[in-house]
Amino acid sequence: QSALTQPPSVSGSPGQSVTISCTGTTSDVGGYNRVSWYQQSPGTVPKLIIHEVNSRPSGVSHRFSGSKSGNTASLTISGLQADDEGDYYCASYRTDSTRVFGGGTRLTVL
Amino acid sequence: QVQLVESGGGVVQPGGSLRLSCAASGFTFSGDAMHWVRQAPGKGLEWAAIISKDGNVQYYADSVKGRFTISRDDSQNTLFLQMDNLRVEDTAMYYCGKDYRWLIDSWGQGTLVAVSS
Repeated sequence: QSALTQPPSVSGSPGQSVTISCTGTTSDVGGYNRVSWYQQSPGTVPKLIIHEVNSRPSGVSHRFSGSKSGNTASLTISGLQADDEGDYYCASYRTDSTRVFGGGTRLTVL
Repeated sequence: QVQLVESGGGVVQPGGSLRLSCAASGFTFSGDAMHWVRQAPGKGLEWAAIISKDGNVQYYADSVKGRFTISRDDSQNTLFLQMDNLRVEDTAMYYCGKDYRWLIDSWGQGTLVAVSS
């Protein structure tokens, strides 16, 4: 059960956009529209920011958006702000009914 | 609002056992599947287990299968994780999570498990 593949780090300046990729297989990301994204700021618990590839929970900023192409899901954060800094994780449902997380991506706002 | 409170963590020797609990409130506990997720110090999130809303179906990550057992008591609105034959690599913060659209939308604050001799 390998983790989904995310870049270890990304960075951007305030106001810019960044995209974080999450690559899996046809048995997880590519096979289902069951991908979620979580934000974890230092010392806090994860927070759901995207579910089912591109749906935002109530209260989550419209600056966060999700998409998917083939076996790769993506999270885009537009209009970067300082408090967007933290770790971002993707997660997916798998064919065997287990779930899997990505390795996480550290976002730095320059 | 949804509240999840984990307990039961602590220090245990390799080969030992612990039972974690997660007390749920603010939603209809019996109506949702529930997860356990762990995070080793300084590392990423690792999904561990899920139990269906009726408690009849469980799935586990390969890393814990055969050693961990997830269960629930809907009369007490409580989720459990029985952890046996613990290994040093099981050291982590353990979070319970409420299922939403196949994944997790609400998380507890976590309980820390340290496996060390």
